[in-house]
Amino acid sequence: ILNVEQSPQSLHVQEGDSTNFTCSFPSSNFYALHWYRWETAKSPEALFVMTLNGDEKKKGRISATLNTKEGYSYLYIKGSQPEDSATYLCAFKSNFGNEKLTFGTGTRLTIIP
Amino acid sequence: DAGVIQSPRHEVTEMGQEVTLRCKPISGHNSLFWYRQTMMRGLELLIYFNNNVPIDDSGMPEDRFSAKMPNASFSTLKIQPSEPRDSAVYFCASSPLGGLGTDTQYFGPGTRLTVL
Repeated sequence: ILNVEQSPQSLHVQEGDSTNFTCSFPSSNFYALHWYRWETAKSPEALFVMTLNGDEKKKGRISATLNTKEGYSYLYIKGSQPEDSATYLCAFKSNFGNEKLTFGTGTRLTIIP
Repeated sequence: DAGVIQSPRHEVTEMGQEVTLRCKPISGHNSLFWYRQTMMRGLELLIYFNNNVPIDDSGMPEDRFSAKMPNASFSTLKIQPSEPRDSAVYFCASSPLGGLGTDTQYFGPGTRLTVL
């Protein structure tokens, strides 16, 4: 069983502040790490797919970094806005040869206006 | 494109009844995934298909659950008989290329199942 953990479980951030949270995954047999954004009453939407150690991806005010050697990824949100309120999921893909993603339980972010 | 379509969106049934959830993947996508989301365990993969063939069903909880994909545009997840502990949101997702692991998965809106 692959262990993918996210911390913190939930987070309240004042509008305008920046924040970050963590996804930890197995450092062996790494293939890819996915980040998804999941708004309440909607379905998860892809943010990033990361494959290379040291990779950094950016989409607007959201960015992510990847350390495959130590098994973690950070997601950063700069200048939080109310529309950033969502659950952020990471998902680990091993190199065992099929497409199966193992999801973390998510970080629930609430932006306080 | 309409995205991944799931039906019904909500289902309330009584224990012991058969439940069938339906999914239409995005046209042209080769892989289809069924997930279950619960408070306790988060998002769990139940089964996935590639080119209509089941590849990994290790997440299917027990024999009461079965899934089929008779063609590239339709899949069903059936629970028979249903139990209260099956209450959850069931998501279907599809991905375009198949087998690569870097493909984005596109999720449907989910079916919220309540078993009384």
